[in-house]
Amino acid sequence: EIVLTQSPGTLSLSPGERATLSCRASHSVNSNYLAWYQQKPGQAPRLLIYGASSRATAIPDRFSGSGSGTDFTLTISRLQPEDFAVYYCHQYGSSPSTTFGQGTRLEIK
Amino acid sequence: QVQLVESGGGVVQPGRSLRLSCAASGFTFSRYTMHWVRQAPGKGLEWVTFISHDGGNKYYIDSVKGRFTISRDNSKNTLYLQMNSLRAEDTAVYHCAFWNGVVPDFIGPFDFWGQGTLLTVSS
Repeated sequence: EIVLTQSPGTLSLSPGERATLSCRASHSVNSNYLAWYQQKPGQAPRLLIYGASSRATAIPDRFSGSGSGTDFTLTISRLQPEDFAVYYCHQYGSSPSTTFGQGTRLEIK
Repeated sequence: QVQLVESGGGVVQPGRSLRLSCAASGFTFSRYTMHWVRQAPGKGLEWVTFISHDGGNKYYIDSVKGRFTISRDNSKNTLYLQMNSLRAEDTAVYHCAFWNGVVPDFIGPFDFWGQGTLLTVSS
């Protein structure tokens, strides 16, 4: 099983700032099959990024993903008030097993 | 539009059983592999199980093997999760989810999620 470790656990930033979230895998993620989700309280997760760097439908271009192998990054270029939420990475390249990171909470400073 | 609506959650005593349902609409349910993902209160996401489009393939995380059974009724566009021998650590919101793709044996990123149904296992 591939274990995903996200850092930091909590990130405190102000609107307009740049956010950089990290996801590190215990083993190389096959074909960079790594996704990122945003989750707000009481809501289902929303897919932001798949294939490490492709934006999902209707996701603003301030969200970008990068990385390969075992190290991946989600960057939010200019934080908007609605971006403060919890973010999860998810590897789906080792079927039938699939795993999530433990999450990074992005909070308003 | 795609909709996934879970139901069947509630409060149940340890050792008892419960069945969750996920009613799907807005897409051709029978084409897609379906998943259950759970989230314990205040915790992260944990994938639990999937079932292939025709029900022929199923896979579970170790902690629920032998206790949980995933199934589907493509004629009713409904996904199920039968949960037996429930434990306190099964307490979570249970989401159904799927990838909007049809590559066999490929999990994919989860494009669509339901809002979830809360299961509480407590005496």
